[in-house]
Amino acid sequence: QQQVRQSPQSLTVWEGETAILNCSYEDSTFDYFPWYHQFPGESPALLIAIRPVSNKKEDGRFTIFFNKREKKFSLHIADSQPGDSATYFCAASAESNYQLIWGSGTKLIIKP
Amino acid sequence: GALVYQYPRRTICKSGTSMRMECQAVGFQATSVAWYRQSPQKTFELIALSTVNSAIKYEQNFTQEKFPISHPNLSFSSMTVLNAYLEDRGLYLCGAKQGGSDYTFGSGTRLLVI
Repeated sequence: QQQVRQSPQSLTVWEGETAILNCSYEDSTFDYFPWYHQFPGESPALLIAIRPVSNKKEDGRFTIFFNKREKKFSLHIADSQPGDSATYFCAASAESNYQLIWGSGTKLIIKP
Repeated sequence: GALVYQYPRRTICKSGTSMRMECQAVGFQATSVAWYRQSPQKTFELIALSTVNSAIKYEQNFTQEKFPISHPNLSFSSMTVLNAYLEDRGLYLCGAKQGGSDYTFGSGTRLLVI
């Protein structure tokens, strides 16, 4: 069964710390792994994504670490800011079927 | 850039009635359109995926009879929630993509059933 597991369900860190969000998957055909953030009352927006050809993708303070062997990927938010407070969703899809399977979400709170 | 306009943003319907939501892709060709539902306190469940030249594929627990979808061209898709009841409330999201590109999501339609 296609599934993407995400943890923790909620996370609180102090401003300036690094927040780490984790996801794992089961389907080895998945080849695209995006992270989205969703602010209250809004739709999710793509934050950063990675494909298995690399094991790390950086975009400013946001970094995805990808471990194909263990079927895990994580989002690291460095120097976290109160404005980063949101719900973060990981997802995975296979190019062959275009389905995007979502994780359960992590509610991230950054304390100033 | 690629944009997806989704409307209405918010709607209230009486229990047992139906409501329709629409998505318009701008700046790209929506060869695939996915419709999702985010129920309160839950993640996004895929309702169905529509890809040009293929039949619309519904996920388990969702049917065409309850959520009929139209994808008549490469810029438009609509979905209707028929006979809406309390359990149908939530945020409905359309996502569109062209080929292997990333999904672009609409702003969502928040459905409240009373």
